[in-house]
Amino acid sequence: AQSVTQLDSHVSVSEGTPVLLRCNYSSSYSPSLFWYVQHPNKGLQLLLKYTSAATLVKGINGFEAEFKKSETSFHLTKPSAHMSDAAEYFCVVSGGGGNKLTFGTGTQLKVEL
Amino acid sequence: SAVISQKPSRDICQRGTSLTIQCQVDSQVTMMFWYRQQPGQSLTLIATANQGSEATYESGFVIDKFPISRPNLTFSTLTVSNMSPEDSSIYLCSVVTSGYEQYFGPGTRLTVT
Repeated sequence: AQSVTQLDSHVSVSEGTPVLLRCNYSSSYSPSLFWYVQHPNKGLQLLLKYTSAATLVKGINGFEAEFKKSETSFHLTKPSAHMSDAAEYFCVVSGGGGNKLTFGTGTQLKVEL
Repeated sequence: SAVISQKPSRDICQRGTSLTIQCQVDSQVTMMFWYRQQPGQSLTLIATANQGSEATYESGFVIDKFPISRPNLTFSTLTVSNMSPEDSSIYLCSVVTSGYEQYFGPGTRLTVT
């Protein structure tokens, strides 16, 4: 069985300040972990993925995430938020073969001037 | 990556009717999936569309309600049968590429009145 918990349903930051979106996972297997972003009325876009290589993963648009097995966490960060980052972010886990994805409940990121 | 299109992009349907959603991929893929995103919610996997065999459904989803076809490696359909207002959701198809990344279509926004 696998699951993800996104610890914050809403996060609000000022433009130019760091972003931290928190995610904890549970998996019976060695997991693959992903972050997806969904802008309003747009499709899902893959931000980054972890698949047992380097624990610090760099993605698109300046985002990165660190896989910490001891803490079962995969938090998403960005050094400086931009207005265009405002969107819904989903932490996702895949494991045990079959590529079935389990989505977290999502974190709504708001970026203020 | 993969380019995925879905038809229709949105529809408004009356209760008791059925709607078939099409998913087309620009390359041959082994694994295709169908997800549902209810209003304000995260994504839930409905089923895995298997080429040449019956779809594999997740708990809570049945073939009579959500029949799926997968006639070849680039195309699949999902039918939402005997619709009720509770079926109002965004329905998304996704594919897994050779890089084990999962890409999503733009979604079909269904409203049942």
